[in-house]
Amino acid sequence: AQTVTQSQPEMSVQEAETVTLSCTYDTSESDYYLFWYKQPPSRQMILVIRQEAYKQQNATENRFSVNFQKAAKSFSLKISDSQLGDAAMYFCAYRSGSYSGAGSYQLTFGKGTKLSVIP
Amino acid sequence: EAQVTQNPRYLITVTGKKLTVTCSQNMNHEYMSWYRQDPGLGLRQIYYSMNVEVTDKGDVPEGYKVSRKEKRNFPLILESPSPNQTSLYFCASSRQAGTEAFFGQGTRLTVV
Repeated sequence: AQTVTQSQPEMSVQEAETVTLSCTYDTSESDYYLFWYKQPPSRQMILVIRQEAYKQQNATENRFSVNFQKAAKSFSLKISDSQLGDAAMYFCAYRSGSYSGAGSYQLTFGKGTKLSVIP
Repeated sequence: EAQVTQNPRYLITVTGKKLTVTCSQNMNHEYMSWYRQDPGLGLRQIYYSMNVEVTDKGDVPEGYKVSRKEKRNFPLILESPSPNQTSLYFCASSRQAGTEAFFGQGTRLTVV
């Protein structure tokens, strides 16, 4: 079974600074997807960024970018020019890209990192 | 507007009283699933469905039932709720099993 580990339960960053959230995962598969979701106080789960394992290029979405190290099974999220609205729980998630029996396609989440943004 | 709709948003009930949380998506997605979120545990999958009439257990299925009679709906049923099912529940759907999931607004359930 796949596991996702977020080793930083809480982090803080000054407004306008850059912060990196860590995520590691364990899998024996070669075809999979990785995601970062944001959960603000409203509780809504919002997709921040996705990465296909077969793509070597790191995904970027405006101020959000990832550092995907496939061999190291690492998938960190970098937030540049942090804003007050970035304060939230951030979840890293893994999803298999190929079917190998019951439960293959479930999203496996890390336990989350709570990010605070200091004005 | 493309969305996943859960109802109710909040629910307080008593132990043993059957309840249903509804979930509907308007994106014609094949894959739907239910998660529960508990402090310090992240989100854990309860049940999922790959298509109409095709459902299977996730990591924490005990005490829950689901059905998928129509593509757009995927209700979560608690036949006899217990206090350990107090949690925040999310329904999610995906176009295909390997793509990103779109989440509903969440249902805060309290069982007393």
